Amino acid sequence: AQTVTQSQPEMSVQEAETVTLSCTYDTSESNYYLFWYKQPPSRQMILVIRQEAYKQQNATENRFSVNFQKAAKSFSLKISDSQLGDTAMYFCAFMILNTGGFKTIFGAGTRLFVKA
Amino acid sequence: GAVVSQHPSWVICKSGTSVKIECRSLDFQATTMFWYRQFPKQSLMLMATSNEGSKATYEQGVEKDKFLINHASLTLSTLTVTSAHPEDSSFYICSATLRGNQPQHFGDGTRLSIL
Repeated sequence: AQTVTQSQPEMSVQEAETVTLSCTYDTSESNYYLFWYKQPPSRQMILVIRQEAYKQQNATENRFSVNFQKAAKSFSLKISDSQLGDTAMYFCAFMILNTGGFKTIFGAGTRLFVKA
Repeated sequence: GAVVSQHPSWVICKSGTSVKIECRSLDFQATTMFWYRQFPKQSLMLMATSNEGSKATYEQGVEKDKFLINHASLTLSTLTVTSAHPEDSSFYICSATLRGNQPQHFGDGTRLSIL
């Protein structure tokens, strides 16, 4: 079964500090893509960062970076210099190619509160 | 770029009514569109994958006759909830990709309330 586990339902961080959101996944596929999406209170999902499983180098996007451990099937998100606008629901997801096409499986999400 | 428009954003209707939700990619051609359902404080559950010009692929447990999906062009996919009942009340989100392995671009979602 393909699953994504986000073990932290809620987290909080002080503005300007660093926070790490954890994510583990389970798949028998060797080639897949990993994503972190953000869903602010306004509801629209936004891509935060993307990682191809065949790449060993961890993806970075400004203040956002990942720690991708393929053997451990771990894909954590680090947010540096947290800002109030980072308050949102964060979903970890992976995408595989199956018979019906590409399919994305989402974790349950981590609600992040950035405090002033 | 990569804007996805979803309409309507909120609909309230009587039980037994059919409701159509539109998902448009405004500035790119989406070969694939996805339809999700999201319950309060829960994750997105994939309902179906829609490829332009072909029949949608439904996830296990999703009724094809209940949730009709049409993807007639590279910029438009529609989800019709037929004979809606209160248990169909939910937040429905569409997304679109230029190519299958690219990140998804999401619509704002549609809150459906069936009375």
